[in-house]
Amino acid sequence: GPKVLQIPSHQIIDMGQMVTLNCDPVSNHLYFYWYKQILGQQMEFLVNFYNGKVMEKSKLFKDQFSVERPDGSYFTLKIQPTALEDSAVYFCASSPGSHQNTLYFGAGTRLSVL
Amino acid sequence: QEKVQQSPESLIVPEGAMSSLNCTFSNSASQSIWWYQQHPGKGPEALISIFSNGNKKEGRLTVYLNRASLHVSLHIRDSQPSDSAVYLCAVNYNQGKLIFGQGTKLSIKP
Repeated sequence: GPKVLQIPSHQIIDMGQMVTLNCDPVSNHLYFYWYKQILGQQMEFLVNFYNGKVMEKSKLFKDQFSVERPDGSYFTLKIQPTALEDSAVYFCASSPGSHQNTLYFGAGTRLSVL
Repeated sequence: QEKVQQSPESLIVPEGAMSSLNCTFSNSASQSIWWYQQHPGKGPEALISIFSNGNKKEGRLTVYLNRASLHVSLHIRDSQPSDSAVYLCAVNYNQGKLIFGQGTKLSIKP
């Protein structure tokens, strides 16, 4: 089936540093998402993105977070500066449309903030 | 705040038997309800979705939705060891935003 690729699979950084998580969505998809999953807890919605703009963001999407997809390349999640509580697995997803369309998820990037 | 609760937390089923998973949600204004399968170290993969009250069958999977009771269930007929995974119930409210439950860990014993 359609594949969403996430790079890197694991990232270790020191608290206060900047990190960029990269996502290569399915090629003809128009909607993009980031979800966060802390170990042992449920997956939580962070943000969705369409036509170059954030459509909706949750309370977890702090001011230190930003997303973009410059020139149709990677869909990125940037955290600057990082905090210890940002340690989690971040999943990217994409879908062709927003209503009743399947979301396709990547394998996740495990972020460890030390 | 929309909530999704799944039960049981974990389930062990003999090979060939029926696996039954449950999910309740807090808001009947939801759009579609999805079931995702997640293997260790992988992202969730969509299995089946339902929008209207009633049931929907795809292969060995049957899902039942009752919006009045805010309940949806997934049944896997003839369960196989390869079905062992975490199953996530997810409710789609708008713009593709999914609210996930905490998951049910299903183990199929040969």
